[in-house]
Formats: sequence, structure tokens, C-alpha cells
Amino acid sequence: QQQVKQSPQSLIVQKGGISIINCAYENTAFDYFPWYQQFPGKGPALLIAIRPDVSEKKEGRFTISFNKSAKQFSLHIMDSQPGDSATYFCAASRAGNTPLVFGKGTRLSVIA
Amino acid sequence: GAGVSQSPSNKVTEKGKDVELRCDPISGHTALYWYRQRLGQGLEFLIYFQGNSAPDKSGLPSDRFSAERTGESVSTLTIQRTQQEDSAVYLCASSLVAGAKTEAFFGQGTRLTVV
Repeated sequence: QQQVKQSPQSLIVQKGGISIINCAYENTAFDYFPWYQQFPGKGPALLIAIRPDVSEKKEGRFTISFNKSAKQFSLHIMDSQPGDSATYFCAASRAGNTPLVFGKGTRLSVIA
Repeated sequence: GAGVSQSPSNKVTEKGKDVELRCDPISGHTALYWYRQRLGQGLEFLIYFQGNSAPDKSGLPSDRFSAERTGESVSTLTIQRTQQEDSAVYLCASSLVAGAKTEAFFGQGTRLTVV
């Protein structure tokens, strides 16, 4: 059973556009929702994270929107740039240093 | 070093051989995780070490997989009698126990190819 479902699998966005990636989860015990960015040949790196006590968190061009009742959260990348082309993973974990459960990833391509 | 270090970066092995992958976490990080990433797939949890607690081995796919950690430092992941389906990138991550913060820092991974 996949605990975190991510969509779309791939995404092509024009430079300057908005990239939107969605995730849904089932386990209501999850209380930490990070997004990781991975470039080819590199390990994933934390991009932005949110806890369920807020509905939105913004860091620069990156925003997480969180809907606790729907058990969904999404990543918005504003003014998308070619350098944003990477694979993005949503994840979730329970309280404490418990292992992250990852979505299957979204390959984003930003074209000029 | 400043980050999580994994070695080797690449490993090609023959089917049936044993392999050992190494992870050096960030100094002071008490939590250490191993994940497997198959080509084009997400990260699959394998095992988790937290301080001196018993490791969470719930993600290990078979008894051919095992891992050890020396105190709060180096960890090794061992795969015995490797099979072609073991081919993947094996990622190690570490995190600092600091209240509710659970940011995990990943190494660059070991790409394992079983031929």
C-alpha cells in the first residue's frame, strides 16, 4: 500500500510559468511534510517543509499548500526556471525522527 | 566532511557475490537511514538507526540484506548473494535529533549494478 501518492509523474512547464505538484496521504499520524529536490547523480536535498498546524508556507519562489481535511499537500514553484528542472519528491513522517515515506517523484522539465 | 559521505560511488558486481556499502553520516547526527532508489522510482525505506535503540529493519526486502552501525558513526549495508533486481542506487541519510525538526541530509548514493 502506497502511503504517499504523488502526481503527476512528469511535468513540462514553460520558463516563467507555475509548476504544481500534488501529493495525498492516508496516515493521519503524519505530522511532517517535506519536499525534496533531486538532480541527476545527486542525493535528494530538502527544499521546503511544512507541519499540519499551518495551511501554507512560502520560501522564495517555492510554496507548500496544505489541506489537512483532504489529506493533501502541494508544491508550487512560481516563475519556474530551467535550473528548477529536477525530480521532486514529496514525503511524510510521524512525530520524532521516524523514517520518511516518499512519493514516487515528479520529473519537472522547465523549457525556455 | 560537511555532508553525508557514501562509498563506493559506483559498484559493479557479479550475480551471487556479496557487497558492502558504506555510509559516513554528518558528525553528531544520531539518526541514520538507508533507502533504495530503483531507476525512475521513488525512495524505498530499508532500515533506520536511532542512537542506541534497536534498529527499525521493517523495510529490508529479504534476509540477504543487513546493516550495522558503529555507535553514532559509520554504517555498512551488506547485500549477500546479490541478484539482478538488487541493482539500484542505495542512499544513506542522517538527521539530528533536535526536537521536532527531522530534516534528513542525503549522501550522493552508491549505484549498484549486478551483472
